[in-house]
Amino acid sequence: QVQLVESGGGVVQPGGSLRLSCAASGFNFNIYGMHWVRQAPGKGLEWLTFLWYDGSNTHYADSVKGRFTISRDNSKNTLYLQMNSLRAEDTAVYYCAKSSSSDLGDFDYWGQGTLVTVSS
Amino acid sequence: SSELTQDPAVSVALGQTVRITCQGDSLRNYYTSWYQQKPGQAPILVIYGKNNRPSGIPDRFSGSSSRNTASLTITGAQAEDEADYYCNSRDSSNNPPVVFGGGTKLTVL
Repeated sequence: QVQLVESGGGVVQPGGSLRLSCAASGFNFNIYGMHWVRQAPGKGLEWLTFLWYDGSNTHYADSVKGRFTISRDNSKNTLYLQMNSLRAEDTAVYYCAKSSSSDLGDFDYWGQGTLVTVSS
Repeated sequence: SSELTQDPAVSVALGQTVRITCQGDSLRNYYTSWYQQKPGQAPILVIYGKNNRPSGIPDRFSGSSSRNTASLTITGAQAEDEADYYCNSRDSSNNPPVVFGGGTKLTVL
């Protein structure tokens, strides 16, 4: 069955960096696009970024453009999110989600999320 | 950028039918998908495309759309349907290319 397992969350000071990982299994990772979505405490879902199946194209929300970088290693079935210049408002649970297609599609599977807390 | 608007909260009596709506200009051009999220859990996809349910989603969940409004209907709501529901769609402005609604908290009375 499809599994997505995020890791790398934790507490980081404002201005700091963190790299999240999402280990995928149970499907052919290298033919599906992948998303990162976050949810601040008590708030709704916010789409952050998407990466095509082959890493050839990306999309970012304005809120993270220039600070966050999505990447993938298809040989390791792993998706990454490099987060730099972190701010208090980046505090959230971060989910990776599988696209239902090679490009932007529905979010048909989600990981359990990893909590990032930005605080001094 | 486009926005998707949802009512913050809706309630339904056990066994009755409830409709959760999502409004936005992008819905005129793209299908809406719907996600259910229970407290402390990740979202799950319940409706996608014109009106499709992933495997394992009960057939009491259905989707429809008209002009700029998409709806998720639960026919015969069960206690376990109490959750937050989010709509999602593409956006032709591509900035951002994907948008979520603000979410609707469904209470089953």
